[in-house]
Amino acid sequence: ETGVTQSPTHLIKTRGQQVTLRCSSQSGHNTVSWYQQALGQGPQFIFQYYREEENGRGNFPPRFSGLQFPNYSSELNVNALELDDSALYLCASSTPWVRTGNRDRADTQYFGPGTRLTVL
Amino acid sequence: AQRVTQPEKLLSVFKGAPVELKCNYSYSGSPELFWYVQYSRQRLQLLLRHISRESIKGFTADLNKGETSFHLKKPFAQEEDSAMYYCALSSNAGGTSYGKLTFGQGTILTVHP
Repeated sequence: ETGVTQSPTHLIKTRGQQVTLRCSSQSGHNTVSWYQQALGQGPQFIFQYYREEENGRGNFPPRFSGLQFPNYSSELNVNALELDDSALYLCASSTPWVRTGNRDRADTQYFGPGTRLTVL
Repeated sequence: AQRVTQPEKLLSVFKGAPVELKCNYSYSGSPELFWYVQYSRQRLQLLLRHISRESIKGFTADLNKGETSFHLKKPFAQEEDSAMYYCALSSNAGGTSYGKLTFGQGTILTVHP
């Protein structure tokens, strides 16, 4: 079983530039979620992709966008970078849900190592 | 809106002492709660989730809906438990999928020899 991988590991950009971060989901997982983790904070949900469509979004502006591909890998794109975008970006993969008894429940999310983005 | 609060940013204990990491949540629906752990230079990984009701590495957590808490406990802390711990709540991200995680700010646990 292959775990979640992310690339690149580190990235330095300047204000106004655009960046693309990549994530390969764990084998068998068709759902990918992206999180932003600022220094000293817990991860914050950006959005989730399921069956190549955005399926839920957090409080992030439209300049944060994403894609999911048929092989379930995903990209996070950020346009017009701002200094506050400097953070660790985490990708997590899962299946959409698991059935427990008569209820569908959230499946466990498995996280990648993250991409450290620095905006100067 | 959902919210997760971890009131302690830092927690220090000695080896062999009991440890409790606090987590409180607010959520209008039926919550699903998790504890994630991040050891030094490692990725975020699941420690336990409340529906499993299992003990991982000696840690347990009980969901108390009355107090809206999901505190993490271990009776005898070990040095290898030193890590960052995050409490997280899962809510519906929309559509047919689930699993938007709302995280607390985390607690750094240090276990001294």
